[in-house]
Amino acid sequence: DAGVIQSPRHEVTEMGQEVTLRCKPISGHDYLFWYRQTMMRGLELLIYFNNNVPIDDSGMPEDRFSAKMPNASFSTLKIQPSEPRDSAVYFCASKNSAGGLDEQFFGPGTRLTVL
Amino acid sequence: ILNVEQSPQSLHVQEGDSTNFTCSFPSSNFYALHWYRWETAKSPEALFVMTLNGDEKKKGRISATLNTKEGYSYLYIKGSQPEDSATYLCASVAGGTSYGKLTFGQGTILTVHP
Repeated sequence: DAGVIQSPRHEVTEMGQEVTLRCKPISGHDYLFWYRQTMMRGLELLIYFNNNVPIDDSGMPEDRFSAKMPNASFSTLKIQPSEPRDSAVYFCASKNSAGGLDEQFFGPGTRLTVL
Repeated sequence: ILNVEQSPQSLHVQEGDSTNFTCSFPSSNFYALHWYRWETAKSPEALFVMTLNGDEKKKGRISATLNTKEGYSYLYIKGSQPEDSATYLCASVAGGTSYGKLTFGQGTILTVHP
């Protein structure tokens, strides 16, 4: 298995531009999580899906952020318009059960820089 | 404790030293505690998942203990090696949250000097 796949790995954009981050979870996993990593706030959960349905989006910082999961093998996190304070590493993770005893598998992350 | 807290924030040790660090989490409504290892330029990887009070897990030179009543977990590394250099994250799972939602601490950055 290739693991969780994220693209792009690095994104540099200008303030005001739309940014789309992509994630392919591990095949068979029915939970997908989007995290943001910053120096100030550490690793924080933005949103997660179960069977393609958003379950908890309370971590999404504001309306400029949106996430979709059109099918079991693909999810996007979109920022429109982007701002410099959105600069961070964005991780996608997946797991295959509802239990709290199951580890999450993380992708390599997308490093976003908004100028 | 309302959030997951880790200490120290960073740690520098010499190769061969044994070391340990702490994760504190809310003890009320506790369900599980995860430890992850995060190497620079890579993604976090799970080390342990613990749920029972008094539980102890071991993987090679790394071990962890859990005290759910007082809300803390220790991670121990015996005979540290340079390849142990990484950020060690803990994350708690609250009971009643059946979806495995993790609340992460800020991590402990370990640097092992040759």
